[in-house]
Amino acid sequence: DAGITQSPRHKVTETGTPVTLRCHQTENHRYMYWYRQDPGHGLRLIHYSYGVKDTDKGEVSDGYSVSRSKTEDFLLTLESATSSQTSVYFCAISESSGPRNVEQYFGPGTRLTVT
Amino acid sequence: AQKVTQAQTEISVVEKEDVTLDCVYETRDTTYYLFWYKQPPSGELVFLIRRNSFDEQNEISGRYSWNFQKSTSSFNFTITASQVVDSAVYFCALSESTTSGTYKYIFGTGTRLKVLA
Repeated sequence: DAGITQSPRHKVTETGTPVTLRCHQTENHRYMYWYRQDPGHGLRLIHYSYGVKDTDKGEVSDGYSVSRSKTEDFLLTLESATSSQTSVYFCAISESSGPRNVEQYFGPGTRLTVT
Repeated sequence: AQKVTQAQTEISVVEKEDVTLDCVYETRDTTYYLFWYKQPPSGELVFLIRRNSFDEQNEISGRYSWNFQKSTSSFNFTITASQVVDSAVYFCALSESTTSGTYKYIFGTGTRLKVLA
């Protein structure tokens, strides 16, 4: 199994508070991704990174920011959490941009509840 | 825009039946990758297979097989002789090229498979 951990695994927070989720990998993969999973929507990309300090937005990036200061860590921050951000958040990594090893491997997920 | 459609929201079968999960995609890329992932009730996402757009050879792995048809933009997944342990949500995904030279990935909404004993 790919070495990907997410912390915390569960979090309950109040509306308006900042929240940071951490993804840590031991595979030295270049590419990292944050997704959210909601019923009926599958997995939706929030932000991704294609190298240290290189990040870009996904389809649901509003209200989220990311940072990647070293290869192994990719942080997702909710600046001011809202109830609509209650979700399960998955981090993923991939090794290559093709043609091989482009598949993603996922962390265990973080369940975030915003009350 | 890129799109992945999994029209089957939920499928129920009896153990030992064969079942096919459909995946239809839209892409403007000439080179792209397709994937299937499994999410069992425990919640983790497990990579099953990758298919490159330039390789249309179908693949079989044990009870699993995948049928990639570029002409119909489909990448269907068949489980032969289903087992209760196959019960999960299955996601199809498609790569989308980006201006940074990498890929991001579009997921379908998933098909929940229930295999009844």
